[in-house]
Amino acid sequence: QSALTQPASVSGSPGQSITISCAGARDDTGVSNRVSWYQQHPGKAPKVMVYEGDRRPSGVSNRFSGTKSGSTASLTISGLQAEDEADYYCCSYAGGNTWVFGGGTKVTVL
Amino acid sequence: QVPLVQSGAEMKKPGASVKVSCKASGYTFTSYGITWVRQAPGRGLEWMGWISTKDNNTNFAQRLQGRLTMTTDTSTSTGYMELRSLRSDDTAVYYCARINDFLSGFPLDHWGQGTLVTVSS
Repeated sequence: QSALTQPASVSGSPGQSITISCAGARDDTGVSNRVSWYQQHPGKAPKVMVYEGDRRPSGVSNRFSGTKSGSTASLTISGLQAEDEADYYCCSYAGGNTWVFGGGTKVTVL
Repeated sequence: QVPLVQSGAEMKKPGASVKVSCKASGYTFTSYGITWVRQAPGRGLEWMGWISTKDNNTNFAQRLQGRLTMTTDTSTSTGYMELRSLRSDDTAVYYCARINDFLSGFPLDHWGQGTLVTVSS
């Protein structure tokens, strides 16, 4: 399974919206329904923010939204806040009980 | 809360083995799979492998095949990851995570706190 491709870094000012892309997020059915997104603050464990491409676990702010289109998934953070500064990883279930992560995107709040 | 509590930091010499534990609580252990993910210093997340808590079936990342073992003990709701023939590039934080098999995307919905494994002579 090939790795997923994310931009190394994305930045934005407080209140703005940013979008992180995840290319190659296609499972063995050819769609990106099985993509999840994780937020990781320095020294902490990852936390799931979006799953199934566009669904949010309870307790996750609605400022985080996921979209999917073909083999590309995206995570949008709207109303950017200082606490959103973290690393973000996409992850796709690749079938056969295997998963693959993207390389990670560092989000900086200017 | 669904905490996954991992064992403490380890320091190992090259060629040695390390075994990390991941104790689950707050849910039926055999209803969810467990996966292990590692993160080398300053690097991204790397999926290592999966284990079924129902029947101990496993699947590992190809690059770790032959050095990696995963097991579970359902009597204590604990998962284990053992990595053998350690090298310096195995230095990383190792995480266990619960797989939510009930959701279509099989997300990793709860994570352990991580275990730092340092390999150095």
